[in-house]
Amino acid sequence: QVQLVQSGAEVKKPGSSVKVSCKASGGTFSSYTISWVRQAPGQGLEWMGRIIPILGIANYAQKFQGRVTITADKSTSTAYMELSSLRSEDTAVYYCAGSITMGFDPWGQGTLVTVSS
Amino acid sequence: EIVLTQSPATLSLSPGERATLSCRASQSVSSYLAWYQQKPGQAPRLLIYDASNRATGIPARFSGSGSGTDFTLTISSLEPEDFAVYYCQQRSNWRWTFGQGTKVEIK
Repeated sequence: QVQLVQSGAEVKKPGSSVKVSCKASGGTFSSYTISWVRQAPGQGLEWMGRIIPILGIANYAQKFQGRVTITADKSTSTAYMELSSLRSEDTAVYYCAGSITMGFDPWGQGTLVTVSS
Repeated sequence: EIVLTQSPATLSLSPGERATLSCRASQSVSSYLAWYQQKPGQAPRLLIYDASNRATGIPARFSGSGSGTDFTLTISSLEPEDFAVYYCQQRSNWRWTFGQGTKVEIK
């Protein structure tokens, strides 16, 4: 079973960018689609986009189109999510999650991104 | 974009009681619906996928039903560890959305 381990917490200034990593171990990375989901403090879950690592194809939620880039490095079994033009409303825990069909499992542990001047 | 509406927002029940959570889609999602449980400070956990299939290791007291636009998650007899927030999720045209969540709290 694949396990996903994310990079550590980040503090960023408004207008800057953040790049969060998600490394897979213990399974076949290429079998999974990797999605990114965020959760603002006290709020619900919000899907941002996903990538098929074996193909390098990504698609994004309309809300984040043009501001988020999801990539994957098959050689290191790592997926990345970069969010640009950060604003205070982007303060959230960012999760990566793997899926083969319907349903996200496993999930990374989450990465807190704080946007503050 | 397909919108998922969960009800109720909060469900106050006692251990041993039956919990029935609803998720309604703004248009048909066929059976492309999943349910998750989330506890404070933890990542969500997949409970049900394809509307009615239990994920690996999920106890039999959790069951899902429905298709099209109306879906239900049932917890047959609440255990103390079941008090949490539950989200439904749909997939359409390779994009996913989540409902706003139902909190199951101890009465």
